Amino acid sequence: SQKIEQNSEALNIQEGKTATLTCNYTNYSPAYLQWYRQDPGRGPVFLLLIRENEKEKRKERLKVTFDTTLKQSLFHITASQPADSATYLCALDIGTGGFKTIFGAGTRLFVKA
Amino acid sequence: GAVVSQHPSWVICKSGTSVKIECRSLDFQATTMFWYRQFPKQSLMLMATSNEGSKATYEQGVEKDKFLINHASLTLSTLTVTSAHPEDSSFYICSASSGRSDTQYFGPGTRLTVL
Repeated sequence: SQKIEQNSEALNIQEGKTATLTCNYTNYSPAYLQWYRQDPGRGPVFLLLIRENEKEKRKERLKVTFDTTLKQSLFHITASQPADSATYLCALDIGTGGFKTIFGAGTRLFVKA
Repeated sequence: GAVVSQHPSWVICKSGTSVKIECRSLDFQATTMFWYRQFPKQSLMLMATSNEGSKATYEQGVEKDKFLINHASLTLSTLTVTSAHPEDSSFYICSASSGRSDTQYFGPGTRLTVL
C-alpha cells in the first residue's frame, strides 16, 4: 500500500541545535517533494520544494535532501530557534493523471530556549 | 505575494443546516484550487480538486452532493457543506495554484463545528 510516514512523536531540541525531521514513503514515485510548516489552527505554509533529480536544496537555515532510492527526505533546521516550534509536513506530488499532493501527518517540533 | 484567504475563519452551525466557505487568491490567478479536511493530529486529506470553469474532481469517499464545490472565477472557489452533521466538524483548508508544477498556497483554514 502507499504510505507517507513522518515521526509521530514530537521532537524536542535545544535552541541553537540542528533539528532533523524524516519523511519516508512507499509505493510512490513523486515528481517532487515539498515541506510545509503548520502552526496550530492555521493553514500550512510552504517552505521548500525539491525535485526528483535534485539531491539537496537549501534556503537560509533550512536544508532538504531527497533520496529516491531510499524513498526518503530529510529536513534540517540549523541554529534552531524557539520560533521554529511548529508542525512540519512532508508532501508528495504523485502526479497520477493530474496535479495531486499527498501529505504526511507531520512531526511536531519543540525548540527550547 | 501568493496570498490566499478563507472566510469565515470559524463557524458554528446547527445540525441539518448548510455552510458555505469561501477561498480567494488575493494576488494571483488560481487555475486550480484544492479543498482539504484535517482532523486533529492527522494529515491533510484532499477532498477535491477544482479547475476554474469546470466541475470539481472529488476524491474517493467524498460525497459530491454533500460537499458542493464551485470555482466560478480564477480567484474564488467555494465549498458548501450541505445538511451538516456533527461528524462533519473539522478544519477545512483550501489551497490555490497557478499551474500544474507550481507550489500550492494555502489559506488559513476554517474551523467548522456542527452542533
